[in-house]
Amino acid sequence: AQSVSQHNHHVILSEAASLELGCNYSYGGTVNLFWYVQYPGQHLQLLLKYFSGDPLVKGIKGFEAEFIKSKFSFNLRKPSVQWSDTAEYFCAVNERNAGNMLTFGGGTRLMVKP
Amino acid sequence: NAGVTQTPKFQVLKTGQSMTLQCAQDMNHNSMYWYRQDPGMGLRLIYYSASEGTTDKGEVPNGYNVSRLNKREFSLRLESAAPSQTSVYFCASSVYRQSRGSPLHFGNGTRLTVT
Repeated sequence: AQSVSQHNHHVILSEAASLELGCNYSYGGTVNLFWYVQYPGQHLQLLLKYFSGDPLVKGIKGFEAEFIKSKFSFNLRKPSVQWSDTAEYFCAVNERNAGNMLTFGGGTRLMVKP
Repeated sequence: NAGVTQTPKFQVLKTGQSMTLQCAQDMNHNSMYWYRQDPGMGLRLIYYSASEGTTDKGEVPNGYNVSRLNKREFSLRLESAAPSQTSVYFCASSVYRQSRGSPLHFGNGTRLTVT
């Protein structure tokens, strides 16, 4: 079965620090990759996705992620975080042959100190 | 547009009671989903409906039933609630299947406590 691992459960950064959140998955076939964000008190929303093409994907609010197929990874990055980036971040993977099944990682809680 | 609307927002049940969580979307999406979110475990798929008239089990379907009433509405029923079902439940929808890279649109969640 597909599994998605997010290695950092809690991350605390100061404003302007750089961010990298790890995401690894276990399936070796063709995948669709997503990052979702959940701001405090809000529902989950899409941050960015990879379906095909350029493995470096840019999303909203200055976030980007790089798909490295050989490493089964889809790490999320941001060069300079802001206090408003405080949220929980979820990586999610769909195996294309599995149809509608989307598997989420356990999430990473990011706290940005002003 | 309201997007994905879930009711109720909060619910407390006693063990053995039943209830139905309602979900409706106004985006004309084909696929709808029910997830539960538990601390440290991310979101786990309970059931989904790829299109009107079809439903399929997800990762954790035991203790739940669903109904895709029409294209807009997808309800989740707990027939006999158990404390292990204490969780936050999210309904979501997407234009197409996940295999086509279609992102999910989530509702605001229902916080359910079973005592």
